[in-house]
Amino acid sequence: AQKVTQAQTEISVVEKEDVTLDCVYETRDTTYYLFWYKQPPSGELVFLIRRNSFDEQNEISGRYSWNFQKSTSSFNFTITASQVVDSAVYFCALSDYNTDKLIFGTGTRLQVFP
Amino acid sequence: ETGVTQSPTHLIKTRGQQVTLRCSSQSGHNTVSWYQQALGQGPQFIFQYYREEENGRGNFPPRFSGLQFPNYSSELNVNALELDDSALYLCASRPGQTGELFFGEGSRLTVL
Repeated sequence: AQKVTQAQTEISVVEKEDVTLDCVYETRDTTYYLFWYKQPPSGELVFLIRRNSFDEQNEISGRYSWNFQKSTSSFNFTITASQVVDSAVYFCALSDYNTDKLIFGTGTRLQVFP
Repeated sequence: ETGVTQSPTHLIKTRGQQVTLRCSSQSGHNTVSWYQQALGQGPQFIFQYYREEENGRGNFPPRFSGLQFPNYSSELNVNALELDDSALYLCASRPGQTGELFFGEGSRLTVL
């Protein structure tokens, strides 16, 4: 069965600190996608990244970076120099290659204080 | 701005009633998915429609049903509401069968 675990329920940091959100997944599929979404208080899920299982290269987008390690089934997300606007709930998700069905973790609430 | 609009934003129903939630997607988005997000949890997949036909379903009973229309709008219907149906219902759409999903802001349903 597919499963996504986000062990950190809530993280609080002060602005400009770096913060890493952990994600561990389980799947028997050899091909799959991994995602990160941001959910601000407005409710909509904002897409951050999709990574396919064949591509283990780390990715950087501005202050955001992602570390995909297939050997440990982890897909961690780091925000460098956090800002108050980064405060939100962040979800890691998994889908197989052929369907739209996303399996979400329970989310990590990030609070960035000024 | 994702171009996915959901209505109503909030509603209150009583147990046993029926509810219809609506979603309007961008033109050309012929795949639509619905998710249920209980408080403090991650979203759970309800079902997906592609070109007006259901082509995937999660672990939800038949009283959860949907429709997709040619004008890129869709509906989620829930019959015989139960207290546990209280949640945020999210609609997501995309062009084609693969690629980024665009989510709406959701409809928050409270069942009393």
